[in-house]
Amino acid sequence: DIQMTQSPSSLSASVGDRVTITCRASQSISSYLNWYQQKPGKAPKLLIYAASSLQSGVPSRFSGSGSGTDFTLTISSLQPEDFATYYCQQSYSTPHSFGQGTKLEIK
Amino acid sequence: EVQLVESGGGLVQPGGSLRLSCAASGFTFSSYEMNWVRQAPGKGLEWVSYISSSGSTIYYADSVKGRFTISRDNAKNSLYLQMNSLRAEDTAVYYCAREAAAGTFLFFDYWGQGTLVTVSS
Repeated sequence: DIQMTQSPSSLSASVGDRVTITCRASQSISSYLNWYQQKPGKAPKLLIYAASSLQSGVPSRFSGSGSGTDFTLTISSLQPEDFATYYCQQSYSTPHSFGQGTKLEIK
Repeated sequence: EVQLVESGGGLVQPGGSLRLSCAASGFTFSSYEMNWVRQAPGKGLEWVSYISSSGSTIYYADSVKGRFTISRDNAKNSLYLQMNSLRAEDTAVYYCAREAAAGTFLFFDYWGQGTLVTVSS
């Protein structure tokens, strides 16, 4: 099975900051990488698929990059509603495993 | 509007059984693969099971293989998860999620609100 590792596990930032979250796969997954946002008590929401494709309706301040084993999610200018937990997920092979999550908190 | 509504969660004793349902609306259910994903309290997301649009292909996480059974009824626009031999570590919110594709790239584009399963004596 492919293991997904996110870093950092938690991050404190301020409104307006540029933030980057990293996800690393235990083997090459090409661009088969998705990013989700989850707020407390809510279901996850798809942000990015295929490593860099923005899901419809997601603000353009979110972007994804990477291929192979190393990927990043970048939020260009943090907004108050962006404070949440972010998960990466590989869809290269079953099981479509998730990273352990990165909790983005207000500084 | 796409909607996925889970039901069937609750408190069950270790070794017991529970059947979760996910009612789908707002899209052609029979055209989509579906998944169950769970989240233990305060923990991350764990993929549980997958079923193809026709029901002919099924996968399970090792942690539930042999105990859980995924199924669907396309005539009723419903997805199910039969959970047997439940353990304390199965305690979680269970989400159903629609799987979409862009070419060969797969992702979960819609999720239900989740249903809580608590396994405890």
